[in-house]
Amino acid sequence: GIQVEQSPPDLILQEGANSTLRCNFSDSVNNLQWFHQNPWGQLINLFYIPSGTKQNGRLSATTVATERYSLLYISSSQTTDSGVYFCAGFSGSARQLTFGSGTQLTVLP
Amino acid sequence: DGGITQSPKYLFRKEGQNVTLSCEQNLNHDAMYWYRQDPGQGLRLIYYSQIVNDFQKGDIAEGYSVSREKKESFPLTVTSAQKNPTAFYLCASSRDSGQAYNEQFFGPGTRLTVL
Repeated sequence: GIQVEQSPPDLILQEGANSTLRCNFSDSVNNLQWFHQNPWGQLINLFYIPSGTKQNGRLSATTVATERYSLLYISSSQTTDSGVYFCAGFSGSARQLTFGSGTQLTVLP
Repeated sequence: DGGITQSPKYLFRKEGQNVTLSCEQNLNHDAMYWYRQDPGQGLRLIYYSQIVNDFQKGDIAEGYSVSREKKESFPLTVTSAQKNPTAFYLCASSRDSGQAYNEQFFGPGTRLTVL
């Protein structure tokens, strides 16, 4: 199956700062999802983004499928943005979503 | 209110016992999935089902079993053969499992602890 690598593994920001999280995948993926896992463990869907750029409020994501990476941008971070961010790539041949190990984001007040 | 529900939220099991985790969805999705998450790690696929009465093993199926008798329900049994079952278990569903409409949505999870 595919391998999904996320960087950085940990990120500490001051409230109001901007950040970029990266996701690299080892092979072609049909689709890519970004999630935020809150402190209670719930996975919140952020983006479903096989290619191109999408924006949702202070968050935006870009996937460059031909170069096998995706980026998640968080602008003007808030303490409520803290948690773990996962990307996951869907392989059509395997019919499954493969997750990266996540980026632990801590936003300090 | 459409969504995915999992029960129980917390589960404690003695070694040697089988336990069943419940997952129900009212999104009318065809595909359902079970994942396991260990501390500090990403999710790993246990089993998935593309349609009623059909299911496929994922990457870590050993020691687990599933059934899919109804479209809305996909229970997971953690058997005594699973060597290290303490983990956080997440259920997901998607409209289908093909290349389109495969965005997955997750339930709130069940934390299983073996005593």
